[in-house]
Amino acid sequence: NAGVTQTPKFRVLKTGQSMTLLCAQDMNHEYMYWYRQDPGMGLRLIHYSVGEGTTAKGEVPDGYNVSRLKKQNFLLGLESAAPSQTSVYFCASSHLGRDLNSYEQYFGPGTRLTVT
Amino acid sequence: GESVGLHLPTLSVQEGDNSIINCAYSNSASDYFIWYKQESGKGPQFIIDIRSNMDKRQGQRVTVLLNKTVKHLSLQIAATQPGDSAVYFCAENRAGGTSYGKLTFGQGTILTVHP
Repeated sequence: NAGVTQTPKFRVLKTGQSMTLLCAQDMNHEYMYWYRQDPGMGLRLIHYSVGEGTTAKGEVPDGYNVSRLKKQNFLLGLESAAPSQTSVYFCASSHLGRDLNSYEQYFGPGTRLTVT
Repeated sequence: GESVGLHLPTLSVQEGDNSIINCAYSNSASDYFIWYKQESGKGPQFIIDIRSNMDKRQGQRVTVLLNKTVKHLSLQIAATQPGDSAVYFCAENRAGGTSYGKLTFGQGTILTVHP
């Protein structure tokens, strides 16, 4: 199993450009998440999904959109990139936590995004 | 409020010593806690977790202690090795009665192990 994969690994955007980050998981997990990580700070939840076709806002959703058209994929979109969105983005997935007595999330390797 | 600090707490130890990394949480309704290790340039990796009905759980070289009275969590690493050098995050499930499994992460602690 590849686990959680993210593409691309690095990207540089100009202010106002758009892009989509792709996350894929092969563990048949129901839940998927997008986080951003800034220097000196922990992970902050942007959006999450509890199943195919469903999405919900996390702690810092402004400026981002997401889609979960297939269970194994979770896309994060930036419609008009801003320098404040320079960050490292992590995708994660998990099983239905309560049923399995664990909320462990499995993380991808991250995407480093710079907006100039 | 949101932390804007750019300096993470740090812990520096000698190889072979035991390390203790601390974490305070704020929500008394949190029912699940987890520790992650993040090496430079990589995503977080699971270390150990604990539910709120326990006060101690042991893994391989690691122990997590939970003190619900003072809302404090600690991670103990025995015989710390240079490969343990990383940033360590605690996280809690604040969702309480929901099953969404959202985790809220702490700021992180930098552990440096000197040979």
